[in-house]
Amino acid sequence: GAGVSQSPRYKVAKRGQDVALRCDPISGHVSLFWYQQALGQGPEFLTYFQNEAQLDKSGLPSDRFFAERPEGSVSTLKIQRTQQEDSAVYLCASSPPAGGGGNTIYFGEGSWLTVV
Amino acid sequence: SQQGEEDPQALSIQEGENATMNCSYKTSINNLQWYRQNSGRGLVHLILIRSNEREKHSGRLRVTLDTSKKSSSLLITASRAADTASYFCAPRTGANNLFFGTGTRLTVIP
Repeated sequence: GAGVSQSPRYKVAKRGQDVALRCDPISGHVSLFWYQQALGQGPEFLTYFQNEAQLDKSGLPSDRFFAERPEGSVSTLKIQRTQQEDSAVYLCASSPPAGGGGNTIYFGEGSWLTVV
Repeated sequence: SQQGEEDPQALSIQEGENATMNCSYKTSINNLQWYRQNSGRGLVHLILIRSNEREKHSGRLRVTLDTSKKSSSLLITASRAADTASYFCAPRTGANNLFFGTGTRLTVIP
């Protein structure tokens, strides 16, 4: 696609509900990142994939957060038993292979999650 | 910490003036990148400067890098109202991830 696409754009979840956020990276991009951005803050790293391999998940705040990218393209960030502190914008980003402009990361518009 | 820290946290200027934002970091880097984020949107890559470069220009943007001081600056010349946004620096090490600070919120007053 033309850019990184995220859905849903907005999600309101009741506390305790499970949510799934989808990311379609730019075609051909091997690296995929998830970030969490609270209001007024910078993006906080959550996890990173290279193709289907999750190489770094050190930023996931708890075991309620789970990310997957089974075929090395689309990725899903799942949050189980949502809590109010999970309310944030979840940004997905992708980048091409190193040497193919791999230094630049392209962001989607984010999925805005509000837990009530 | 691998993230950069931007300074000032907020900056308000008149249209036509220049805006300067600073970034400090703690680790050795391969490159440093600047991103812009308009309210409610994703981040957009502005410019990348490599560790062996000292200055780089792109349109109205000028970036400097001082690896001895572990600092970088972003200068926006002849600012426009459309430049109103948050600006983030991201120092990049050999790792693949980018880490962001809290950003500088720039307001350009028409």
